[in-house]
Amino acid sequence: DQQVKQNSPSLSVQEGRISILNCDYTNSMFDYFLWYKKYPAEGPTFLISISSIKDKNEDGRFTVFLNKSAKHLSLHIVPSQPGDSAVYFCAAFNAGGTSYGKLTFGQGTILTVHP
Amino acid sequence: NAGVTQTPKFQVLKTGQSMTLQCAQDMNHEYMSWYRQDPGMGLRLIHYSVGAGITDQGEVPNGYNVSRSTTEDFPLRLLSAAPSQTSVYFCASSYTTGTGYSPLHFGNGTRLTVT
Repeated sequence: DQQVKQNSPSLSVQEGRISILNCDYTNSMFDYFLWYKKYPAEGPTFLISISSIKDKNEDGRFTVFLNKSAKHLSLHIVPSQPGDSAVYFCAAFNAGGTSYGKLTFGQGTILTVHP
Repeated sequence: NAGVTQTPKFQVLKTGQSMTLQCAQDMNHEYMSWYRQDPGMGLRLIHYSVGAGITDQGEVPNGYNVSRSTTEDFPLRLLSAAPSQTSVYFCASSYTTGTGYSPLHFGNGTRLTVT
């Protein structure tokens, strides 16, 4: 049972436009959410996170939105750049439990930003 | 500062062979973990450790053993390789903190093929 789902395997956008990557989760115990970015032949790198006590977190061009009632989060990249082309993974865990560090990942979305 | 180092980068095994995937970190992180990445499945947690001498199972532990004799090293052992263990393996580490969350730092992965 996939507790974190990224239903779009791929997304293609034009440089300068907004990229919106979506993620849904089913486990109501999740209270901390992260986005990781992965280039080919490299490990994932941390991008941005959000706690369930917030509904938005910004870091430069990257903003994560959390809708707890819908169990949905999204990552907005504005403006998109060709260097943003990568696989983006959504991840979640229960920070208040004993599962420290036991992230549950989504399947990933391949983002391609065209010049 | 090397971060998380995984060796080897590539490995081909025959069914039934054993091997150890090495992982070392130089950041004095207490928490270390192993994930496998498979197409359409995201990253799945195999085993993790919250400190030297302490290990526990993740989501997909069968067929794998781990030990943590030092803070720096967290090797993953395949006792009898099976084709189902063909995957890309990532080691990750982070601080354990009483409050907040310290994101995982990943190595660059080991691509394993079992024939």
